[in-house]
Amino acid sequence: AQSVTQLGSHVSVSEGALVLLRCNYSSSVPPYLFWYVQYPNQGLQLLLKYTSAATLVKGINGFEAEFKKSETSFHLTKPSAHMSDAAEYFCAAASEQAGTALIFGKGTTLSVSS
Amino acid sequence: NAGVTQTPKFRVLKTGQSMTLLCAQDMNHEYMYWYRQDPGMGLRLIHYSVGEGTTAKGEVPDGYNVSRLKKQNFLLGLESAAPSQTSVYFCASIQGGSNGGYTFGSGTRLTVV
Repeated sequence: AQSVTQLGSHVSVSEGALVLLRCNYSSSVPPYLFWYVQYPNQGLQLLLKYTSAATLVKGINGFEAEFKKSETSFHLTKPSAHMSDAAEYFCAAASEQAGTALIFGKGTTLSVSS
Repeated sequence: NAGVTQTPKFRVLKTGQSMTLLCAQDMNHEYMYWYRQDPGMGLRLIHYSVGEGTTAKGEVPDGYNVSRLKKQNFLLGLESAAPSQTSVYFCASIQGGSNGGYTFGSGTRLTVV
C-alpha cells in the first residue's frame, strides 16, 4: 500500500542552524508530493509541492525540498532556522487511488532554541 | 473569501450522541475529503467523494457516515459518538487530479466525553 514515512517525530535545532526534515514515500510511480506546516491550534498551510516540473522545489518562508526518485525521498530543508519555524511539519503524497486523496506522514515537530 | 468552511469549529458530545459536521466549499471542486488528526498519527482519511452523489471509504471509516447530496457540501456524521472519536477533523477539496492545490478547512475540534 502507498505510504509516507517521516523519519524522526521530533527534531531540535538551534536558531541559525540548518533544518532537515526527512520524508520517504512508497509508490509504484512517483507521486505528487507536498509539505505542510501546522502551528499550534491552527490549520494546515502549504509550504511547497512537487508536481514533476522540477526536482528542487522552493517554497515559502525560505524552505525548499528536493525530489530524489532513486532514494524515493522528498526531504525538506532550510539553511537557517528561525524561532518562528517551530511547528509541526507534515509530508504528504497524492494517492494513486482514493480519489487522489493526500496520504500524510505522521508528522515531525520542529523545536528551535535560542 | 473563496475556500472551505467547516462548521462547527468546536463541539463537546456525550458518548452515544449523534452529530453532523458540515464542510462547504465555494470553488466548484469535484473532489472532497474528510480527515481526522490525532497526536502522533498525522492526518488519516475517513471518507472521500469524487463528485456529487458519490462517496467512498478511506483508511478509518468505522463509526462515520458521509453524504454529498450537493456538490458544494460534504457532510460527516457520527451516529453514536465514542470517546475514541475525540479528534480534530479537517475537510479538504480539490478540483480534480492532484496537480492543483488542495484547499483545507480550518478544522473542527470534537471532544466526546
